[in-house]
Amino acid sequence: QVQLLQSGAEVKKPGASVKVSCMISGHSPVDLFMHWVRQAPGKGLEWVGGFDPENGEAIFAQKFEGRVTMTDDTSTDTAHLELSSLRSEDSAVYYCATGLMGATPFDYWGQGTLVTVSS
Amino acid sequence: SYDLTQPPSVSVSPGQTATISCSGEKLGDEYISWYQQRPGQSPVLVIYQDSKRPSGIPERFSGSSSGNTATLTISGTQPVDEADYYCQAWDTTTFVIFGGGTKLTVL
Repeated sequence: QVQLLQSGAEVKKPGASVKVSCMISGHSPVDLFMHWVRQAPGKGLEWVGGFDPENGEAIFAQKFEGRVTMTDDTSTDTAHLELSSLRSEDSAVYYCATGLMGATPFDYWGQGTLVTVSS
Repeated sequence: SYDLTQPPSVSVSPGQTATISCSGEKLGDEYISWYQQRPGQSPVLVIYQDSKRPSGIPERFSGSSSGNTATLTISGTQPVDEADYYCQAWDTTTFVIFGGGTKLTVL
């Protein structure tokens, strides 16, 4: 059973960067295509991007290109999402999500990390 | 950009059948997944590849797809099914797309 445990809530100022972590257990991370999905307060799900550990390639929603970095730390079985140049619209719960059937669907989700951007 | 369109809300009486639609111009070429999200919780996969149910999901949840519309059906809806439901597709150019979500109310 795959389990995803995310890092705690963050408060950042506009223009800063945030790094959210997602520790993977119950399955080899090298087999998991890890995605990041966010949800602004009262809004729907929005895909941010995904990282394929098989080929080391990242894919992003066009609106985040240039601001998002996704990495995989195999020594700690932890995936990371870093979002830079934060603005108030980036305030949201960020989820890591993955599955065992390829790039999608997402069988497993983290508990979410609340990121608040405020001056 | 490619969009998936869902009704914002659906209401159903307990024990009745709820249907939630998801339409998109490329749905005929793609599989749809459906996720349930209760307030304050992470989403849960309830249907994948249009009509398959993951282990542990009740049989009252079913999915279908025809043309450019996919449908999530909940038969014998229970109060515990009250939640937001999202459809999701994979497209080779925009990759992961979510519908806007449908709030299911069980009155």
